[in-house]
Amino acid sequence: GENVEQHPSTLSVQEGDSAVIKCTYSDSASNYFPWYKQELGKGPQLIIDIRSNVGEKKDQRIAVTLNKTAKHFSLHITETQPEDSAVYFCAAQAGNQFYFGTGTSLTVIP
Amino acid sequence: NAGVTQTPKFQVLKTGQSMTLQCAQDMNHEYMSWYRQDPGMGLRLIHYSVGAGITDQGEVPNGYNVSRSTTEDFPLRLLSAAPSQTSVYFCASSYSMVGQGTFFGPGTRLTVT
Repeated sequence: GENVEQHPSTLSVQEGDSAVIKCTYSDSASNYFPWYKQELGKGPQLIIDIRSNVGEKKDQRIAVTLNKTAKHFSLHITETQPEDSAVYFCAAQAGNQFYFGTGTSLTVIP
Repeated sequence: NAGVTQTPKFQVLKTGQSMTLQCAQDMNHEYMSWYRQDPGMGLRLIHYSVGAGITDQGEVPNGYNVSRSTTEDFPLRLLSAAPSQTSVYFCASSYSMVGQGTFFGPGTRLTVT
């Protein structure tokens, strides 16, 4: 099956700085890559996604890039704010199933 | 819309007991799934359904059963609870399985003693 690796596991940034989280996947047939934000005690919430025929997608302060050749995709958050502090998960869809990374705990220091 | 709802929010079971985790969605989504979340392991797919009457196994199906008699409901049954099933369980749904973002419920925290 698909294997998704996510780095780093923890990330601390100063408010206003950028944060980058990287994921790699193993199955070249994977074609859809969502990112989720999970706040304490809540379920994951979709924040941005990208399909395999697109290289980059942006939504205000967040962006995702995809390199199909290298099988990696990244989440970029600019101008970070304290409310961005959460756990972020990447995922890859292979066939009928989603495979998740192990998560990145992001802390934005005011 | 209530979105995806799960009950109960918390549950403690003794080893060998059985129970059903309830999940419902009111968005008319065809695709529903169950995940378990364990520290340091992300979310792992237990079972999923692509429509009423159709279910399939995910990555970690052993010890769990599902059925999908209606579009709205997708219960997860623990047949004989084991301590290894202590986890947080999330139900999720999406309009279709292909290239669509998934909406997650608030989760059920299960402890098996």
